[in-house]
Amino acid sequence: AQKVTQAQTEISVVEKEDVTLDCVYETRDTTYYLFWYKQPPSGELVFLIRRNSFDEQNEISGRYSWNFQKSTSSFNFTITASQVVDSAVYFCALSPDNFGNEKLTFGTGTRLTIIP
Amino acid sequence: SAVISQKPSRDICQRGTSLTIQCQVDSQVTMMFWYRQQPGQSLTLIATANQGSEATYESGFVIDKFPISRPNLTFSTLTVSNMSPEDSSIYLCSVTGTGVEGWDYGYTFGSGTRLTVV
Repeated sequence: AQKVTQAQTEISVVEKEDVTLDCVYETRDTTYYLFWYKQPPSGELVFLIRRNSFDEQNEISGRYSWNFQKSTSSFNFTITASQVVDSAVYFCALSPDNFGNEKLTFGTGTRLTIIP
Repeated sequence: SAVISQKPSRDICQRGTSLTIQCQVDSQVTMMFWYRQQPGQSLTLIATANQGSEATYESGFVIDKFPISRPNLTFSTLTVSNMSPEDSSIYLCSVTGTGVEGWDYGYTFGSGTRLTVV
């Protein structure tokens, strides 16, 4: 069975501060995919990143960066110089590496509030 | 990636009635999934919509309550039947598909249907 844990239920930071959202996962699959999604108040799910379990390189995209550590089963997400528009619920998710034929397992989400 | 049109975007329904949600994709996709997100909660898979056959339901979800159709590779519907206030949730359609270079390992989501049952 697959499981994703996002221990931080809510985080509040002042604008321009850096913030890291934690994600720990459990799976028995040898290969798998990890994802992060953003859900703003409007409700849609915005795709941020997917990472194959073979690829442990960290990734940076503008103010966003992701740290994947297979040894600790973690896939953490950092926002640098946070902005009010970053306020949203962020979900970490996991799927088996089966060509998209299986469901995503979501964590419980972290509600991030950026204080102006 | 695929573009999904999900309708309606929101609705307020009376207890005991049914609502059908549509998910239209702009290209053929392999898999279509339906998720439920109860207020303040994470996303839970209701079922996998199978083209031309009965959907595959997750534990806790039954066909009588959530009938699903998928007549072709670009369209699916989810019906929420005999609604009660506990059905008030966001319902999301999700798809995966094969691009030009093969499966792109992406899960695309519709914009969701925000349902309130009164």
